[in-house]
Amino acid sequence: AQTVTQSQPEMSVQEAETVTLSCTYDTSENNYYLFWYKQPPSRQMILVIRQEAYKQQNATENRFSVNFQKAAKSFSLKISDSQLGDTAMYFCALYAGTASKLTFGTGTRLQVTL
Amino acid sequence: EADIYQTPRYLVIGTGKKITLECSQTMGHDKMYWYQQDPGMELHLIHYSYGVNSTEKGDLSSESTVSRIRTEHFPLTLESARPSHTSQYLCASRGGARGYGYTFGSGTRLTVV
Repeated sequence: AQTVTQSQPEMSVQEAETVTLSCTYDTSENNYYLFWYKQPPSRQMILVIRQEAYKQQNATENRFSVNFQKAAKSFSLKISDSQLGDTAMYFCALYAGTASKLTFGTGTRLQVTL
Repeated sequence: EADIYQTPRYLVIGTGKKITLECSQTMGHDKMYWYQQDPGMELHLIHYSYGVNSTEKGDLSSESTVSRIRTEHFPLTLESARPSHTSQYLCASRGGARGYGYTFGSGTRLTVV
């Protein structure tokens, strides 16, 4: 069985600052994928960034990057130069082995303030 | 621009009514999913489908039912709505490799009074 844990229910960051959201996971599989999804208030959930487990290089998408620590089973999301539009729920998710369903964490609510 | 569409966006309905939440995607994805999102925003998988005429129950027991007669269409039905069904319902789909994750619809916020 796979599990995803997000230990920060809520976080706050000032505009233009950097914030890191934590995620740990557990799987016995060697082949897996990790994702961060963003759900703005009353809007569609969208994919922010993905990481393939066999790639050691951390994924980066513009202001969003991850710190993938495979041995520690940690997959944190760093948002640089935070913007008001980054205010959202952020979900960490895992696809592992032959499972065809994503396993989601409980989410972190991020508030970006002026 | 969304390639997966959910209607209605908001629905307020009385107890005992039958309702169908619509979900359609234009991407030709085989796999489709329904999630229930509670007030704390946690996601619970309630139904999924691997293709036409394939439906499975998810991790969270639900009184709803689904059908998959066409690849692009995955409606969810509640035969008799109750206040406990009040929630947000998210539809998602996946095509191709797992590494691409899901594409989500905008959701239906259901309130049963």
